[in-house]
Amino acid sequence: AQKVTQAQTEISVVEKEDVTLDCVYETRDTTYYLFWYKQPPSGELVFLIRRNSFDEQNEISGRYSWNFQKSTSSFNFTITASQVVDSAVYFCALSEANYGGATNKLIFGTGTLLAVQP
Amino acid sequence: NAGVMQNPRHLVRRRGQEARLRCSPMKGHSHVYWYRQLPEEGLKFMVYLQKENIIDESGMPKERFSAEFPKEGPSILRIQQVVRGDSAAYFCASSPPSTEDQETQYFGPGTRLLVL
Repeated sequence: AQKVTQAQTEISVVEKEDVTLDCVYETRDTTYYLFWYKQPPSGELVFLIRRNSFDEQNEISGRYSWNFQKSTSSFNFTITASQVVDSAVYFCALSEANYGGATNKLIFGTGTLLAVQP
Repeated sequence: NAGVMQNPRHLVRRRGQEARLRCSPMKGHSHVYWYRQLPEEGLKFMVYLQKENIIDESGMPKERFSAEFPKEGPSILRIQQVVRGDSAAYFCASSPPSTEDQETQYFGPGTRLLVL
């Protein structure tokens, strides 16, 4: 069965600190996709990144970076020099590849609430 | 390009009434997904639809819930005879038909349903 675990329920940091949000997943599929979404206090869900299981290259986008390690089934998310606007709930999600009629449904972790204090 | 649209954003119903939630996918998107977020929880998959077809409804409660995505118009999630436990945020997502980006789901702002 597929499962996503975000062990950190809440994290509080002071502005300009670096913070890493952990995500561990379980799947029997060899082809799958991993995602991070941000849910700010306003409530909408904002897509941040999609990662293919065959692509273990780490990615950096501005202050955001992602570390994908298949050996440990982890897809961690680091925010460098955090800002108050980064305060949100962050969700990690997993989906199996869509072939043979399989569904793209996302399996979400329970989320990590990040509070960045000024 | 407008994003995924959902309405209403907030909906209040009394126990026993019906709730209808609407979702218009992004332009050019032909896949629609509904998720439910209960208070203090993550999102749970409910149903996956393409135009005029329900592809996967494995996450839908067996009774009172139904979904459709007609040839014309928005997708509708319908909850009959609502109960207090239905109070939640309901999110719709859409994805494009091309295989290249079909896996990425873009979410609407959600509908917050409160059952009194």
